[in-house]
Amino acid sequence: NAGVTQTPKFRVLKTGQSMTLLCAQDMNHEYMYWYRQDPGMGLRLIHYSVGEGTTAKGEVPDGYNVSRLKKQNFLLGLESAAPSQTSVYFCASSRGFSYEQYFGPGTRLTVT
Amino acid sequence: GQQVMQIPQYQHVQEGEDFTTYCNSSTTLSNIQWYKQRPGGHPVFLIQLVKSGEVKKQKRLTFQFGEAKKNSSLHITATQTTDVGTYFCAGNSGGSNYKLTFGKGTLLTVNP
Repeated sequence: NAGVTQTPKFRVLKTGQSMTLLCAQDMNHEYMYWYRQDPGMGLRLIHYSVGEGTTAKGEVPDGYNVSRLKKQNFLLGLESAAPSQTSVYFCASSRGFSYEQYFGPGTRLTVT
Repeated sequence: GQQVMQIPQYQHVQEGEDFTTYCNSSTTLSNIQWYKQRPGGHPVFLIQLVKSGEVKKQKRLTFQFGEAKKNSSLHITATQTTDVGTYFCAGNSGGSNYKLTFGKGTLLTVNP
């Protein structure tokens, strides 16, 4: 099993450009999450999903959109990138809220 | 909203010394999870504590959950260079809505 995979691993965007980060999991987990990690800020939840076709806002959702068209995939979109969105983005999945989360390797995004 | 505070933010030790990180929640928790993130890596689940006063051990690591289920600690005995990384606690307030809140983490460095 690959677990949780993320593409791309690195990306540099110019302000105003758009992009989509892809997360895939092969553990048949219902729950998936997108976090951003900034120095000294820990992990902050952007959006999450409790099942195919569902999404919900987390702690810092502004400037991001998500979609969960298939159970195994969770997409994070940036419609108009801003320098404040420079961060490392982690995707995670779990069987449920009270179960451990499995994290992907992360995407390092720089917005200039 | 729920807040999870973690101290210290940084800890530098000599190899062989002990290390402890503390986690405090503003609300009573249903359970608490601990994760480790190696430098440049992604968070990896270590353990989950559920019961009041629970103590669990993993080799040199000892995890405790407070009697009031509002605090937790991770203690490492005789640190090794392989223990280097950031240790995060994540508190789950339970219920049907997502409420897993990560602390900001404690970065442990070990001098060989």
